Amino acid sequence: DAGVTQSPTHLIKTRGQHVTLRCSPISGHKSVSWYQQVLGQGPQFIFQYYEKEERGRGNFPDRFSARQFPNYSSELNVNALLLGDSALYLCASSSVEGGISGNTIYFGEGSWLTVV
Amino acid sequence: GNSVTQMEGPVTLSEEAFLTINCTYTATGYPSLFWYVQYPGEGLQLLLKATKADDKGSNKGFEATYRKETTSFHLEKGSVQVSDSAVYFCALREYSNYKLTFGKGTLLTVNP
Repeated sequence: DAGVTQSPTHLIKTRGQHVTLRCSPISGHKSVSWYQQVLGQGPQFIFQYYEKEERGRGNFPDRFSARQFPNYSSELNVNALLLGDSALYLCASSSVEGGISGNTIYFGEGSWLTVV
Repeated sequence: GNSVTQMEGPVTLSEEAFLTINCTYTATGYPSLFWYVQYPGEGLQLLLKATKADDKGSNKGFEATYRKETTSFHLEKGSVQVSDSAVYFCALREYSNYKLTFGKGTLLTVNP
């Protein structure tokens, strides 16, 4: 079975531009989350979606937005890119929303974004 | 709020040495605890987990025990291999939500 897939794997953008990152969760998983990992740091939570509704948002500016589609895939959008947005963006999926202690969260390989 | 503190890296060991990476946490309630591993240029892989106090998670020779009294979840391995070279992240998740809170990561390098 395919794991969490993300695209593109690498991209370079200029300051002020917009970027869209895509994620397909594991088949049957209805929950998708996004994390930002700056070089040398641990991942930071950005968003969680479950059944196409936003269920959680981290401490990120409004330039960051996301959505989940009927097939449970997801997009992360970042507007007005800043140099500091350069990071690895990780998508994670899970079979349930949360609250089940044994539930496992699976991560994709990530999308490397460089802003120049 | 929740937080995870890992020992500062990098950690450099010789093959077959004993490994300990310390992790302590702060959380309200009773979180689940995780260790994730990130190999160079890759995403995160779940290494092991524990969901309640005194649980021991284990995988690929790695172990960690959920210690509620010391709010710790230290990662150990009796004999490391060169292939264990990676960044290791300790993380927690509250029962009531989905969000993972990560530590800053510990870079492990194992030399032959």
